[in-house]
Amino acid sequence: KAGVTQTPRYLIKTRGQQVTLSCSPISGHRSVSWYQQTPGQGLQFLFEYFSETQRNKGNFPGRFSGRQFSNSRSEMNVSTLELGDSALYLCASSLDKDPGPSTDTQYFGPGTRLTVL
Amino acid sequence: EDQVTQSPEALRLQEGESSSLNCSYTVSGLRGLFWYRQDPGKGPEFLFTLYSAGEEKEKERLKATLTKKESFLHITAPKPEDSATYLCAVQRRTSGTYKYIFGTGTRLKVLA
Repeated sequence: KAGVTQTPRYLIKTRGQQVTLSCSPISGHRSVSWYQQTPGQGLQFLFEYFSETQRNKGNFPGRFSGRQFSNSRSEMNVSTLELGDSALYLCASSLDKDPGPSTDTQYFGPGTRLTVL
Repeated sequence: EDQVTQSPEALRLQEGESSSLNCSYTVSGLRGLFWYRQDPGKGPEFLFTLYSAGEEKEKERLKATLTKKESFLHITAPKPEDSATYLCAVQRRTSGTYKYIFGTGTRLKVLA
């Protein structure tokens, strides 16, 4: 079974631009979560989508947004990029068999390395 | 406030020298504790899930254990290919939803 895929793998942008990252979850997985990973902060939770609805959200500014499509693929968008947005952005998917909270394991993609100049 | 602390931050071992990594947490409503391995430039790779105090899981040279306040990842006779960053994460339940909180990881280097 194919794993979580993320595109693009690398991105270089300048301050003020916007960027869209894409994530395709493992087939059959309905929950998709996004994380930002930086050397100083570790993995910070951005948001989680399930059945095209944002189910959970971390403490990031409104410049960070996301969406999920009917095939469970997800995108996240960052507008008005800042230098501090340089990070590895990770997507994780889980099966989430139950309609509510689940302890299903999250499986991560390889990440998108975003550099803001 | 929810908190996950991993120690040590970095660890250097000789090949064959067993050791343990620690993950301590203060989380109300714990549902599960997860261990991941992350190689440089890659996404975290799932290792184990533990759900209740006293539970243990093993995989090759790795063994994870869980108490009410912490988890240990024991590495027996490590090899250079075990070098990586090991992350732990806790999943806590809140009203109607849940979230994962990650520690900052332990960077393990195993020398041949």
